[in-house]
Amino acid sequence: NAGVTQTPKFRILKIGQSMTLQCAQDMNHNYMYWYRQDPGMGLKLIYYSVGAGITDKGEVPNGYNVSRSTTEDFPLRLELAAPSQTSVYFCASRFGTDVLKPQHFGDGTRLSIL
Amino acid sequence: KNQVEQSPQSLIILEGKNCTLQCNYTVSPFSNLRWYKQDTGRGPVSLTIMTFSENTKSNGRYTATLDADTKQSSLHITASQLSDSASYICVVSATPYGGSQGNLIFGKGTKLSVKP
Repeated sequence: NAGVTQTPKFRILKIGQSMTLQCAQDMNHNYMYWYRQDPGMGLKLIYYSVGAGITDKGEVPNGYNVSRSTTEDFPLRLELAAPSQTSVYFCASRFGTDVLKPQHFGDGTRLSIL
Repeated sequence: KNQVEQSPQSLIILEGKNCTLQCNYTVSPFSNLRWYKQDTGRGPVSLTIMTFSENTKSNGRYTATLDADTKQSSLHITASQLSDSASYICVVSATPYGGSQGNLIFGKGTKLSVKP
């Protein structure tokens, strides 16, 4: 059971380039989330989804877009990359509506914008 | 403003010793508090989740306590092992049951190093 899989693990982008961070889960979880973790800071929610076709903004959505066409996949799109988007990005998923269920995290994508 | 503060920022202990990590929060309305362990280069892994009615929860050598009156939580690690070296993150949820977003507020973490 793979859990939450994120690709790529590392990426370097130039300012202004675009890319998509991939996230896939095989646990049939309906809730999925994207976070960013800046050095020495707590995780910040970028976007989340409660099911296929439904997405909503989190705390720091500017400069990002998401889509959720299937239950398994939740890609995060960066348009016009900026140095402020240098961070570690984590995807997470959770099953059901019970907020006491833990989130399962992927191992992150380390992104540098130069 | 909803905030989660953790202390100490970092901690070094010898293998076999016990330690306690602290978490203070100003989150309202409070739903639940969770502790995560994050190994270097990995994603966070859930250790415990507690609601306001629970004051202690254990997961092996990890014991979390919660005082909802003083808005404090602690994570106690017993008989530490080298594999306990990681960051420990306190997370507080401000969303009532059924919330989709979870409205999780993450602390910055305590970095624990266990030395042989």
